[in-house]
Amino acid sequence: GAGVSQSPSNKVTEKGKDVELRCDPISGHTALYWYRQSLGQGLEFLIYFQGNSAPDKSGLPSDRFSAERTGGSVSTLTIQRTQQEDSAVYLCASSSAGSYTYEQYFGPGTRLTVT
Amino acid sequence: AQTVTQSQPEMSVQEAETVTLSCTYDTSENNYYLFWYKQPPSRQMILVIRQEAYKQQNATENRFSVNFQKAAKSFSLKISDSQLGDTAMYFCALYAPIIYKYIFGTGTRLKVLA
Repeated sequence: GAGVSQSPSNKVTEKGKDVELRCDPISGHTALYWYRQSLGQGLEFLIYFQGNSAPDKSGLPSDRFSAERTGGSVSTLTIQRTQQEDSAVYLCASSSAGSYTYEQYFGPGTRLTVT
Repeated sequence: AQTVTQSQPEMSVQEAETVTLSCTYDTSENNYYLFWYKQPPSRQMILVIRQEAYKQQNATENRFSVNFQKAAKSFSLKISDSQLGDTAMYFCALYAPIIYKYIFGTGTRLKVLA
């Protein structure tokens, strides 16, 4: 079946503009995660969804970042008033709550460049 | 707090040789899982191997195997018969169901040389 998809693949935006990044998880996966990967760095946890609710938003770096998930499926990560330090690859992953393997399935990421 | 440490930022290995990537972790949980993920230049993260903490037997997947030392909180990855396609970033990760959050190390960039 289809894997996790993310769009756009690449996004170049000017400082101060808002951007929306989209994630389509694997059908039936109730858990969804957003991560940020800065150049040469590991994965920084941003937010976790279980269904449509986000029990853990602790990783969002500032109030310019927000995320929502609708219908227990598609998720959108919004960054308002982008700054140059927001430049990174944003990865989305999903997993099945019923799975005891706890494997995450990742999308290909969105590379965000703020100029 | 849960932490994962990968102390080797970069490594290289000759094709067909064996290489071991190190990972240490810390957690106060008894129920947890450990993973190695591979990220090639395409950015697509792929699961390489998984280890349940309650299992004493080391996990193996074809050319990939782990050395899981629970008391020492060590989880190294051994790649045998290295291939050019193994060139990638490798991330070690810890997951404890009670915290529902994956903790990743900073990664090891592995280059396989022809």
